[in-house]
Amino acid sequence: QKEVEQNSGPLSVPEGAIASLNCTYSDRGSQSFFWYRQYSGKSPELIMFIYSNGDKEDGRFTAQLNKASQYVSLLIRDSQPSDSATYLCAVKMNSGGSNYKLTFGKGTLLTVNP
Amino acid sequence: IAGITQAPTSQILAAGRRMTLRCTQDMRHNAMYWYRQDLGLGLRLIHYSNTAGTTGKGEVPDGYSVSRANTDDFPLTLASAVPSQTSVYFCASSWARPQGAGGNYGYTFGSGTRLTVV
Repeated sequence: QKEVEQNSGPLSVPEGAIASLNCTYSDRGSQSFFWYRQYSGKSPELIMFIYSNGDKEDGRFTAQLNKASQYVSLLIRDSQPSDSATYLCAVKMNSGGSNYKLTFGKGTLLTVNP
Repeated sequence: IAGITQAPTSQILAAGRRMTLRCTQDMRHNAMYWYRQDLGLGLRLIHYSNTAGTTGKGEVPDGYSVSRANTDDFPLTLASAVPSQTSVYFCASSWARPQGAGGNYGYTFGSGTRLTVV
């Protein structure tokens, strides 16, 4: 069974620190990887995607991908209380033929303390 | 409409009743999905549709049915609701086939329906 694993947390960091969120996946053939942010009572919102090994930066967010280790991470620099949310890792996996679906991890709850 | 619209926002339903959750998107995405989200269990796929006229079962399909008569609409029906179907339901849409090897394949989610079956 194709799986995506995340530490459920909660991960607690002080304001201004770097928050590091991690994700591993089982399907070695996976090509694209996504990070969603979900505030309490709201729907998931796409914040980053990455498909090449290495780092991809967007503002305070950096996604890191290591396909050999089947590992993807999200770094949040200068964490703010408004970053407090659950972060979902999602991996694009083949679902048969030429169709694909995202498989989601269960999410990591991040709390940024003022 | 901008993106995906779900209705109703919330509902309290008596057990045994029939209920249809509505989902409409205006992005011309060919694929649509229904998830339920429960504390500690994450997002679980109920049913999906890769294109209008086709549907498929996800990991928790029992007690639910879907139809996809056109590109925009993907309703989810609970034929006879049970308390274990109390959950938050999210509809999502995307391109079913990647737009190039590095194409952004992310899902767009609706705002969700909070359903309580009593």
